[in-house]
Amino acid sequence: SQQGEEDPQALSIQEGENATMNCSYKTSINNLQWYRQNSGRGLVHLILIRSNEREKHSGRLRVTLDTSKKSSSLLITASRAADTASYFCATAPGPARQLTFGSGTQLTVLP
Amino acid sequence: NAGVTQTPKFQVLKTGQSMTLQCAQDMNHNSMYWYRQDPGMGLRLIYYSASEGTTDKGEVPNGYNVSRLNKREFSLRLESAAPSQTSVYFCASSEQGSPYNEQFFGPGTRLTVL
Repeated sequence: SQQGEEDPQALSIQEGENATMNCSYKTSINNLQWYRQNSGRGLVHLILIRSNEREKHSGRLRVTLDTSKKSSSLLITASRAADTASYFCATAPGPARQLTFGSGTQLTVLP
Repeated sequence: NAGVTQTPKFQVLKTGQSMTLQCAQDMNHNSMYWYRQDPGMGLRLIYYSASEGTTDKGEVPNGYNVSRLNKREFSLRLESAAPSQTSVYFCASSEQGSPYNEQFFGPGTRLTVL
Protein backbone atom coordinates (compact mmCIF):
# COMPACT_ATOMS: atom_id res chain seq x y z
CA SER A 1 0.00 0.00 0.00
CA GLN A 2 1.18 3.52 -0.71
CA GLN A 3 1.51 6.02 2.08
CA GLY A 4 1.48 9.15 -0.03
CA GLU A 5 -0.96 10.13 -2.71
CA GLU A 6 -0.27 13.07 -5.00
CA ASP A 7 -2.86 15.36 -6.45
CA PRO A 8 -3.39 16.10 -9.26
CA GLN A 9 -2.19 13.07 -11.20
CA ALA A 10 -1.34 15.31 -14.14
CA LEU A 11 -0.82 19.05 -14.48
CA SER A 12 -0.18 21.11 -17.59
CA ILE A 13 0.84 24.77 -17.38
CA GLN A 14 2.50 27.46 -19.45
CA GLU A 15 6.12 28.43 -18.95
CA GLY A 16 6.42 31.15 -16.33
CA GLU A 17 3.37 30.03 -14.36
CA ASN A 18 3.53 28.48 -10.91
CA ALA A 19 2.87 24.78 -10.40
CA THR A 20 1.40 23.38 -7.20
CA MET A 21 1.28 19.71 -6.34
CA ASN A 22 -0.20 18.18 -3.22
CA CYS A 23 0.58 15.07 -1.26
CA SER A 24 -1.54 13.40 1.40
CA TYR A 25 -0.36 10.62 3.67
CA LYS A 26 -1.91 8.33 6.22
CA THR A 27 0.34 7.75 9.21
CA SER A 28 2.65 9.89 11.31
CA ILE A 29 5.97 10.76 9.75
CA ASN A 30 9.50 11.70 10.65
CA ASN A 31 9.99 13.65 7.44
CA LEU A 32 8.55 14.06 3.97
CA GLN A 33 10.63 14.30 0.84
CA TRP A 34 9.97 15.33 -2.75
CA TYR A 35 11.68 13.71 -5.72
CA ARG A 36 11.70 14.47 -9.42
CA GLN A 37 11.86 11.90 -12.21
CA ASN A 38 12.59 12.89 -15.75
CA SER A 39 11.26 10.54 -18.41
CA GLY A 40 13.28 7.35 -18.54
CA ARG A 41 15.56 8.35 -15.67
CA GLY A 42 15.99 7.63 -12.00
CA LEU A 43 14.58 9.77 -9.20
CA VAL A 44 16.42 12.83 -7.97
CA HIS A 45 15.98 14.20 -4.47
CA LEU A 46 14.64 17.77 -4.42
CA ILE A 47 13.87 18.76 -0.86
CA LEU A 48 13.16 17.33 2.57
CA ILE A 49 10.94 18.79 5.26
CA ARG A 50 10.97 17.50 8.81
CA SER A 51 7.82 16.85 10.80
CA ASN A 52 8.50 19.85 13.06
CA GLU A 53 8.88 22.23 10.12
CA ARG A 54 6.00 23.99 8.37
CA GLU A 55 7.67 25.51 5.35
CA LYS A 56 10.93 25.20 3.51
CA HIS A 57 12.44 26.87 0.46
CA SER A 58 15.08 25.83 -2.02
CA GLY A 59 15.58 28.03 -5.05
CA ARG A 60 12.27 28.07 -6.96
CA LEU A 61 10.85 25.33 -4.75
CA ARG A 62 8.64 25.90 -1.75
CA VAL A 63 7.36 23.02 0.35
CA THR A 64 4.78 23.21 3.09
CA LEU A 65 3.79 20.57 5.59
CA ASP A 66 0.63 20.37 7.65
CA THR A 67 0.92 17.42 10.01
CA SER A 68 -2.57 17.98 11.43
CA LYS A 69 -4.02 17.42 7.96
CA LYS A 70 -1.33 14.92 6.97
CA SER A 71 -0.61 16.83 3.80
CA SER A 72 2.18 18.60 1.99
CA SER A 73 2.41 20.81 -1.05
CA LEU A 74 5.21 21.49 -3.50
CA LEU A 75 5.19 24.83 -5.29
CA ILE A 76 7.45 25.46 -8.27
CA THR A 77 7.57 29.13 -9.11
CA ALA A 78 8.24 30.61 -12.55
CA SER A 79 8.20 27.19 -14.16
CA ARG A 80 10.40 26.30 -17.11
CA ALA A 81 10.09 23.69 -19.83
CA ALA A 82 12.94 21.83 -18.12
CA ASP A 83 10.70 21.34 -15.07
CA THR A 84 8.62 18.89 -17.10
CA ALA A 85 8.86 15.65 -15.12
CA SER A 86 7.04 13.45 -12.65
CA TYR A 87 7.12 14.56 -9.04
CA PHE A 88 6.81 12.14 -6.15
CA CYS A 89 6.40 12.64 -2.46
CA ALA A 90 7.93 10.10 -0.12
CA THR A 91 7.40 9.70 3.58
CA ALA A 92 9.61 8.31 6.28
CA PRO A 93 7.41 7.04 9.11
CA GLY A 94 10.08 7.29 11.77
CA PRO A 95 13.82 6.94 12.16
CA ALA A 96 13.39 3.95 9.88
CA ARG A 97 15.15 3.51 6.61
CA GLN A 98 12.23 2.74 4.40
CA LEU A 99 10.63 5.48 2.34
CA THR A 100 7.13 5.03 1.00
CA PHE A 101 6.45 6.75 -2.32
CA GLY A 102 3.25 8.16 -3.72
CA SER A 103 2.05 7.57 -7.26
CA GLY A 104 3.31 10.92 -8.54
CA THR A 105 2.17 14.02 -10.40
CA GLN A 106 3.10 14.34 -14.06
CA LEU A 107 3.94 17.99 -14.70
CA THR A 108 4.11 19.32 -18.24
CA VAL A 109 5.39 22.86 -18.76
CA LEU A 110 4.53 24.17 -22.20
CA PRO A 111 6.95 26.64 -23.85
CA ASN B 1 32.12 9.91 -8.82
CA ALA B 2 29.54 7.79 -10.67
CA GLY B 3 26.96 7.64 -7.86
CA VAL B 4 24.69 4.62 -8.29
CA THR B 5 25.16 2.46 -11.37
CA GLN B 6 22.96 -0.34 -12.62
CA THR B 7 23.44 -3.03 -15.23
CA PRO B 8 21.95 -3.94 -17.59
CA LYS B 9 19.88 -0.99 -18.78
CA PHE B 10 17.47 -3.14 -20.74
CA GLN B 11 16.64 -6.84 -20.64
CA VAL B 12 14.09 -9.12 -22.26
CA LEU B 13 13.45 -12.52 -20.70
CA LYS B 14 11.19 -15.42 -21.43
CA THR B 15 8.93 -16.76 -18.72
CA GLY B 16 10.90 -19.07 -16.45
CA GLN B 17 14.32 -17.66 -17.23
CA SER B 18 16.52 -16.30 -14.48
CA MET B 19 18.69 -13.22 -14.31
CA THR B 20 20.54 -10.99 -11.88
CA LEU B 21 20.36 -7.21 -11.84
CA GLN B 22 23.53 -5.56 -10.64
CA CYS B 23 23.85 -2.37 -8.61
CA ALA B 24 26.91 -0.58 -7.29
CA GLN B 25 27.45 2.71 -5.45
CA ASP B 26 30.63 4.65 -4.83
CA MET B 27 29.37 7.03 -2.13
CA ASN B 28 30.36 4.79 0.79
CA HIS B 29 26.71 4.45 1.76
CA ASN B 30 25.73 1.69 4.14
CA SER B 31 22.10 1.24 3.08
CA MET B 32 20.94 0.04 -0.32
CA TYR B 33 17.50 -0.62 -1.80
CA TRP B 34 15.73 -2.25 -4.71
CA TYR B 35 12.46 -0.82 -6.01
CA ARG B 36 10.16 -1.59 -8.88
CA GLN B 37 8.12 1.01 -10.72
CA ASP B 38 5.07 0.09 -12.74
CA PRO B 39 3.26 2.43 -15.15
CA GLY B 40 1.39 5.21 -13.41
CA MET B 41 2.62 4.15 -10.01
CA GLY B 42 5.21 5.20 -7.55
CA LEU B 43 8.07 3.04 -6.43
CA ARG B 44 7.49 -0.07 -4.36
CA LEU B 45 10.25 -1.45 -2.20
CA ILE B 46 11.30 -5.02 -2.98
CA TYR B 47 14.22 -5.56 -0.61
CA TYR B 48 16.67 -3.41 1.26
CA SER B 49 19.98 -3.82 3.01
CA ALA B 50 20.57 -1.60 6.00
CA SER B 51 24.24 -2.52 6.14
CA GLU B 52 26.70 -4.98 4.69
CA GLY B 53 25.66 -8.50 5.63
CA THR B 54 21.99 -7.74 6.27
CA THR B 55 18.95 -7.84 4.02
CA ASP B 56 15.24 -7.36 4.72
CA LYS B 57 12.03 -7.73 2.79
CA GLY B 58 10.15 -4.72 1.59
CA GLU B 59 6.59 -4.40 0.36
CA VAL B 60 6.79 -6.76 -2.66
CA PRO B 61 9.55 -9.38 -2.12
CA ASN B 62 7.87 -12.45 -3.64
CA GLY B 63 9.72 -13.85 -6.65
CA TYR B 64 12.98 -12.05 -5.85
CA ASN B 65 16.18 -12.69 -3.94
CA VAL B 66 18.98 -10.30 -3.09
CA SER B 67 22.63 -10.44 -2.18
CA ARG B 68 24.65 -7.73 -0.48
CA LEU B 69 27.96 -8.75 -1.96
CA ASN B 70 29.98 -6.07 -0.15
CA LYS B 71 29.44 -2.49 0.93
CA ARG B 72 29.36 -1.24 -2.67
CA GLU B 73 27.25 -3.88 -4.40
CA PHE B 74 23.67 -5.10 -4.01
CA SER B 75 22.21 -7.50 -6.55
CA LEU B 76 18.64 -8.55 -7.27
CA ARG B 77 17.89 -11.99 -8.67
CA LEU B 78 14.82 -13.29 -10.43
CA GLU B 79 14.98 -17.08 -10.22
CA SER B 80 12.04 -17.81 -12.53
CA ALA B 81 10.80 -14.73 -14.28
CA ALA B 82 7.08 -14.13 -14.73
CA PRO B 83 5.26 -11.58 -16.94
CA SER B 84 4.09 -9.85 -13.74
CA GLN B 85 7.72 -8.93 -13.11
CA THR B 86 7.81 -6.76 -16.20
CA SER B 87 8.77 -3.41 -14.73
CA VAL B 88 11.46 -0.81 -14.32
CA TYR B 89 13.81 -1.65 -11.48
CA PHE B 90 15.66 1.02 -9.53
CA CYS B 91 18.49 0.64 -7.09
CA ALA B 92 19.13 3.33 -4.48
CA SER B 93 21.49 3.99 -1.61
CA SER B 94 21.57 6.17 1.49
CA GLU B 95 23.67 6.82 4.54
CA GLN B 96 22.88 4.58 7.45
CA GLY B 97 21.96 6.30 10.63
CA SER B 98 20.77 9.43 8.94
CA PRO B 99 17.31 10.32 10.23
CA TYR B 100 16.63 12.07 6.98
CA ASN B 101 17.17 9.10 4.74
CA GLU B 102 17.71 10.95 1.48
CA GLN B 103 18.12 8.31 -1.19
CA PHE B 104 20.23 8.41 -4.33
CA PHE B 105 18.93 6.48 -7.32
CA GLY B 106 20.47 4.68 -10.23
CA PRO B 107 19.18 5.12 -13.80
CA GLY B 108 17.05 1.96 -13.75
CA THR B 109 16.79 -1.36 -15.58
CA ARG B 110 13.86 -1.87 -17.92
CA LEU B 111 12.86 -5.53 -17.78
CA THR B 112 10.33 -7.20 -20.06
CA VAL B 113 9.24 -10.77 -19.40
CA LEU B 114 7.48 -12.43 -22.33
